[in-house]
Amino acid sequence: GAGVSQTPSNKVTEKGKYVELRCDPISGHTALYWYRQSLGQGPEFLIYFQGTGAADDSGLPNDRFFAVRPEGSVSTLKIQRTERGDSAVYLCASSYAGGPVDTQYFGPGTRLTVL
Amino acid sequence: GEDVEQSLFLSVREGDSSVINCTYTDSSSTYLYWYKQEPGAGLQLLTYIFSNMDMKQDQRLTVLLNKKDKHLSLRIADTQTGDSAIYFCAEGAGTYKYIFGTGTRLKVLA
Repeated sequence: GAGVSQTPSNKVTEKGKYVELRCDPISGHTALYWYRQSLGQGPEFLIYFQGTGAADDSGLPNDRFFAVRPEGSVSTLKIQRTERGDSAVYLCASSYAGGPVDTQYFGPGTRLTVL
Repeated sequence: GEDVEQSLFLSVREGDSSVINCTYTDSSSTYLYWYKQEPGAGLQLLTYIFSNMDMKQDQRLTVLLNKKDKHLSLRIADTQTGDSAIYFCAEGAGTYKYIFGTGTRLKVLA
């Protein structure tokens, strides 16, 4: 596809449930990023993949959050035992190679609402 | 820690120029970015400036960078109603991690 795509666009779940959010990066981009945007805030970094491996997961808030990218393309962000505070827009971005001079292109986001 | 600051709101009349300001903290930032976010949409990259530049112009957009004061601005000439959105500045703080500001909501009045 032409840009980064994310599914679902909206997800409503109940407290304590498990959710998976999917990201399809731009074809050929080796670097993939997840950010979380809370209401009225700018995006905050969660995790960065270079290829299949998580090069930096320091932004994940706790061990309920986990992300994978098994084939170096599509990534899934997984949240266990969801809490109301997890409600936010989860943004995925990709870039050609990663690194400080590499522009990141963002998807439309998944809006997660935990009731 | 790292902190990128922006004013929260800006209102301008259609046809006027808009200037959105940003203050960043990490002097090692290599690139500084401006993104636009419309309701229900993701972040759209508008423009960026390399840290060794003072100014960059791209059609209606002009970016000014004052490294000494760590101040970045985005000027939109001939602002249109379609420019109404939230504008985020972001610094590539020497790594792949982007540090975003809180965003400036631009409202263009017809």
